[in-house]
Amino acid sequence: DTEVTQTPKHLVMGMTNKKSLKCEQHMGHRAMYWYKQKAKKPPELMFVYSYEKLSINESVPSRFSPECPNSSLLNLHLHALQPEDSALYLCASSRQGAGELFFGEGSRLTVL
Amino acid sequence: QKEVEQNSGPLSVPEGAIASLNCTYSDRGSQSFFWYRQYSGKSPELIMFIYSNGDKEDGRFTAQLNKASQYVSLLIRDSQPSDSATYLCAVNQNDKIIFGKGTRLHILP
Repeated sequence: DTEVTQTPKHLVMGMTNKKSLKCEQHMGHRAMYWYKQKAKKPPELMFVYSYEKLSINESVPSRFSPECPNSSLLNLHLHALQPEDSALYLCASSRQGAGELFFGEGSRLTVL
Repeated sequence: QKEVEQNSGPLSVPEGAIASLNCTYSDRGSQSFFWYRQYSGKSPELIMFIYSNGDKEDGRFTAQLNKASQYVSLLIRDSQPSDSATYLCAVNQNDKIIFGKGTRLHILP
């Protein structure tokens, strides 16, 4: 059983929709991450939160908006996405500064 | 952003043999190194991490690190069909965990 929970598992949205991906962890980790993964490609870092503050934004387009309401929760708000944004979105957590990532099962996003 | 390089494979290894997976990285400042396993349609799973030069063993897995050569490897002994997966090398670059493209490993029964 994964200790990082992501919802929803699957999401289909139109280019004008607004939706959110959610991630929750109960391991006491203080670093949380969003990665994007396309088929047969490695995970690509999007955002890193450290102690609930955004510490790294890998030049992600503003149509992706992260939020960390508390140390256990991480959201990714989606708005005006493009079909090329269709991918598996992975949330991960780690002990601060450790780098050993624990991934959720991912949210598979399809943009029509 | 510095590179993490892996041979994409597929690497085919007979069951019971040793599988050897390799990774090189370009950022000399990198301090911590990871191997993740990813089954098709699943998320990556951490299997090994190594911080110091030398070997680190955990069950059938051995991670090897040579910082002078900027080289990390993963050995899987007594390979099983369940080891068939993509193996991702990852490097911590200033709190960014950067992944290589992964090596597809296929264990032949």
